[in-house]
Amino acid sequence: GESVGLHLPTLSVQEGDNSIINCAYSNSASDYFIWYKQESGKGPQFIIDIRSNMDKRQGQRVTVLLNKTVKHLSLQIAATQPGDSAVYFCAEGGGGADGLTFGKGTHLIIQP
Amino acid sequence: EAGVAQSPRYKIIEKRQSVAFWCNPISGHATLYWYQQILGQGPKLLIQFQNNGVVDDSQLPKDRFSAERLKGVDSTLKIQPAKLEDSAVYLCASSFRRGTEAFFGQGTRLTVV
Repeated sequence: GESVGLHLPTLSVQEGDNSIINCAYSNSASDYFIWYKQESGKGPQFIIDIRSNMDKRQGQRVTVLLNKTVKHLSLQIAATQPGDSAVYFCAEGGGGADGLTFGKGTHLIIQP
Repeated sequence: EAGVAQSPRYKIIEKRQSVAFWCNPISGHATLYWYQQILGQGPKLLIQFQNNGVVDDSQLPKDRFSAERLKGVDSTLKIQPAKLEDSAVYLCASSFRRGTEAFFGQGTRLTVV
């Protein structure tokens, strides 16, 4: 079964608003987490990652939060743009496994 | 920097036929992965190489799937014979070393009819 899951299959937000995509993971031994963006017909594109010794990490317009107590990961996208429309996957790694385990994904829809 | 290259982009075959996919990772990346992505799902790891050795193939259906990375650079993934449920996108990814972010190719969309 899946060890990483997402709370919502689809998230619709207005252009310019902030969006938050959530993810729950089950392997408490995982020590790094990555958010990927996948546009139609393309492979997953790395957005941002975070190690288990951190709670927060910021990139350009994106922030990842990690709550190890409840095994929860979130991706915040500030001032969403049409180009942000895609499926977003969280993935976990480490914990004895080198490969990444992906969840099902959240489809982010940006409305004009 | 060139990304991960995969070919072909699309392939349609009949069930019970064989098919092969090719991947060229980012130069200098020792770790190479093959993932299977069924429509509507996240990618699932099939096999992981470190240089030319297999690190993890626990989820590879070995009765029909095989993969190799003979010289530690390019890799091929083969399916023989194909089944209808093998219809998916096959993604190749590479990373500089184990435990770091993986960079993905565009994938090969396989349709088995």
